[in-house]
Amino acid sequence: DAGVIQSPRHEVTEMGQEVTLRCKPISGHDYLFWYRQTMMRGLELLIYFNNNVPIDDSGMPEDRFSAKMPNASFSTLKIQPSEPRDSAVYFCASRAQGSYNEQFFGPGTRLTVL
Amino acid sequence: AQSVAQPEDQVNVAEGNPLTVKCTYSVSGNPYLFWYVQYPNRGLQFLLKYITGDNLVKGSYGFEAEFNKSQTSFHLKKPSALVSDSALYFCAVRDGTGTASKLTFGTGTRLQVTL
Repeated sequence: DAGVIQSPRHEVTEMGQEVTLRCKPISGHDYLFWYRQTMMRGLELLIYFNNNVPIDDSGMPEDRFSAKMPNASFSTLKIQPSEPRDSAVYFCASRAQGSYNEQFFGPGTRLTVL
Repeated sequence: AQSVAQPEDQVNVAEGNPLTVKCTYSVSGNPYLFWYVQYPNRGLQFLLKYITGDNLVKGSYGFEAEFNKSQTSFHLKKPSALVSDSALYFCAVRDGTGTASKLTFGTGTRLQVTL
């Protein structure tokens, strides 16, 4: 298996622009998680899905952030409009039902908002 | 909510010496505990987990962790450190049950192994 796939790996954009991050979970995994990592805040859980349904989005910082999972093999995290404080590394992770919560992480997307 | 604490931001150790990265937990019920490692510019990688059973858990790359219920600790250990072990280490605990189940991570400890 190729593992969790994220694209793009790097994104540089200007303040006010829309940013879309993409994730393909490991085939057969029922859960998908979006995290954000910064030096100041560490690793934060933004939202997670079970069987394509959002379970907990309490970590989404504000309405500018939205996430979707239209099918079992694809998820997006969108920021509109983007701001410099959104600069971070965004990770996607997935796990299988009944796996004792062992999550598999993607390589991350490094977002820089100028 | 369940939580873990990593009291050290950084641990420095010489290559060949034993290493310990500390983690304490606060949970209601039986804890599911995890260690992950993050190498530079990479995602987190699973090292090991404790669910039940033997208090000494063995994981990847020669790491092990000791579950201590009386001290509510789950310290990560390795008998002989390598320079290549230098990375960021995260302790985590399962938070919630059923479909509302996620991992709560600690703040991370940077391990620096020097020659």
